[in-house]
Amino acid sequence: AQRVTQPEKLLSVFKGAPVELKCNYSYSGSPELFWYVQYSRQRLQLLLRHISRESIKGFTADLNKGETSFHLKKPFAQEEDSAMYYCALSGHASGSRLTFGEGTQLTVNP
Amino acid sequence: DAGVIQSPRHEVTEMGQEVTLRCKPISGHNSLFWYRQTMMRGLELLIYFNNNVPIDDSGMPEDRFSAKMPNASFSTLKIQPSEPRDSAVYFCASSSQGTSQPQHFGDGTRLSIL
Repeated sequence: AQRVTQPEKLLSVFKGAPVELKCNYSYSGSPELFWYVQYSRQRLQLLLRHISRESIKGFTADLNKGETSFHLKKPFAQEEDSAMYYCALSGHASGSRLTFGEGTQLTVNP
Repeated sequence: DAGVIQSPRHEVTEMGQEVTLRCKPISGHNSLFWYRQTMMRGLELLIYFNNNVPIDDSGMPEDRFSAKMPNASFSTLKIQPSEPRDSAVYFCASSSQGTSQPQHFGDGTRLSIL
């Protein structure tokens, strides 16, 4: 079975502060991990995926297989980063199906 | 490409009525997903299709919910009869088949059952 856990439903930081959104997963094989973002009343959008090893909008995420984590980080948060963030996992056995975490609502205060 | 297109954007109806939500996936994508989003339960996968065939409908809450994909460019999610607890935002997403392919979401249908 595959499972994604985001332990924080709400996270609040001040502008300019570092931010880390936690994501832990459970999967027996080699997973594909994604972060999706949903700005207020908008559609979910892909933010980044671990195979790309890229930085989008200043965010990065590193897959740590030892800790089974895929935490999302940004060194200096901006107010426009306020949104709901979902971590998601796709396993080879499930084809293209994604398993989403519960989501973390990030609020960046001025 | 216009992306995944859902209609209607908003639907308000009385309990007991039939509700039909529509989705047009991105051309060329052969996987389609229906999700429900609520404050209490977050994002839940209801059903998904590969090549128009339902693969996993274990997330469909009960028999009142049904989904079809008659062709590669159209899918419907139907609730009959609707109940107030069905009120939620329903998202459709599509992707190319394959584990590393990201899903592209529509704008969602905000459903309110009175």
